[in-house]
Amino acid sequence: SYQLTQPLSVSVALGQMANITCGGNDIGRKSVHWYQQKPGQAPQLVIYRDTSRPSGIPERLSGSSSGNTATLTISRVQAGDEADYYCQVWDSTTVVFGAGTKVTVL
Amino acid sequence: EVRLVESGGGLVQPGGSLRLSCGVSGFDFSDHWMGWVRQAPGKGLEWVAIIKKDASEKYYLDSVKGRFIISRDNVKNFLFLQMNTLRAEDTADYYCTRGSYRPFSYYYMDVWGKGTTVTVSS
Repeated sequence: SYQLTQPLSVSVALGQMANITCGGNDIGRKSVHWYQQKPGQAPQLVIYRDTSRPSGIPERLSGSSSGNTATLTISRVQAGDEADYYCQVWDSTTVVFGAGTKVTVL
Repeated sequence: EVRLVESGGGLVQPGGSLRLSCGVSGFDFSDHWMGWVRQAPGKGLEWVAIIKKDASEKYYLDSVKGRFIISRDNVKNFLFLQMNTLRAEDTADYYCTRGSYRPFSYYYMDVWGKGTTVTVSS
């Protein structure tokens, strides 16, 4: 079965840039989606199909994917970006999630 | 406003059954794939099941195959998850999700409900 690998945690200073990686075999050939989950809340889609943002998601959040790594980038990090982030792909007939990355804003 | 509202969660003994419901409003329910995602306490997201617009295709997480059944009512705009032979490891928050699907290409969840909690314990 297909597996996605994310770092357990990422720490970033307020106003700086955070990169959250999602590793998978030839993931660049798949369509990658990202979800943000703040404490006590339901997940929310923030990036779909590698690079697209749903309505209402700020341009500070962006996605890219190539080779064996997909990346969610958060520019000019704000305190409100502190959350868990999950990557996700579709593999045959299965939805696959990464284990999630906790982003801490310092 | 697009809304997904789950109900039916609760405490159930191991081996028992529970039926989750998800009421939908604000969009054409019959034009979308739908599904369930769960999250055990303190853990990550885990996909459970998805169902095609007309219910002609259904896909399940391996560990729930044969125990859970996903279904939908396109007249009343409801999604269901019948959960049988429940185990302690099924304890989780269960989220109703709206899906966006392209064959052989992608599936992602663009709308999420707030979730309902299922606890399996004696």
